[in-house]
Amino acid sequence: AQSVAQPEDQVNVAEGNPLTVKCTYSVSGNPYLFWYVQYPNRGLQFLLKYITGDNLVKGSYGFEAEFNKSQTSFHLKKPSALVSDSALYFCAVSQRGGANNLFFGTGTRLTVIP
Amino acid sequence: DTAVSQTPKYLVTQMGNDKSIKCEQNLGHDTMYWYKQDSKKFLKIMFSYNNKELIINETVPNRFSPKSPDKAHLNLHINSLELGDSAVYFCASSHSGGSGIGGYTFGSGTRLTVV
Repeated sequence: AQSVAQPEDQVNVAEGNPLTVKCTYSVSGNPYLFWYVQYPNRGLQFLLKYITGDNLVKGSYGFEAEFNKSQTSFHLKKPSALVSDSALYFCAVSQRGGANNLFFGTGTRLTVIP
Repeated sequence: DTAVSQTPKYLVTQMGNDKSIKCEQNLGHDTMYWYKQDSKKFLKIMFSYNNKELIINETVPNRFSPKSPDKAHLNLHINSLELGDSAVYFCASSHSGGSGIGGYTFGSGTRLTVV
């Protein structure tokens, strides 16, 4: 069975500071990993994904994430937060060769304080 | 050009009614999905469908049924609507299990309110 944990419901960070949104996963085999962002009353926007290769993945809007197989983690990071980054962030996993369903974490609300 | 489009954006209806939500993708993806986002923002897969296989999440009531007239469309029919069906429903599509460029692409959602 697949599972994704986002241990923090809420993350607050000051504008200009680095931010981290945590994600750990459990899936049999090698996963595909994703981060999505949802702004209020909007759909889900793709940020980045890990499929294979380099463990450090760079995505949209200056975000990046590092795949750590030993810790089964895929934390989202950004060196310098913007107020406009404030949104709901979802980590997600799908299983290679499986049903291809994207299984989501519970989401982390990021608030960047001016 | 909208990649994954859903209609309607808002749907308010009475208990017991039957309603449909339409979804179309113009990305040439091979698989389409329906997700439900509840009031706590939890996202849960309802169905996935490609031209070979329909996979149903076993927790989804059989009042919900997907209908796919062709590869680019996956509509969601809901019979005998209940108050608990109120949620935001997202359509999505992907190629090769999400390994393609852009991963899974989501529509903007349909906010269903059952009164």
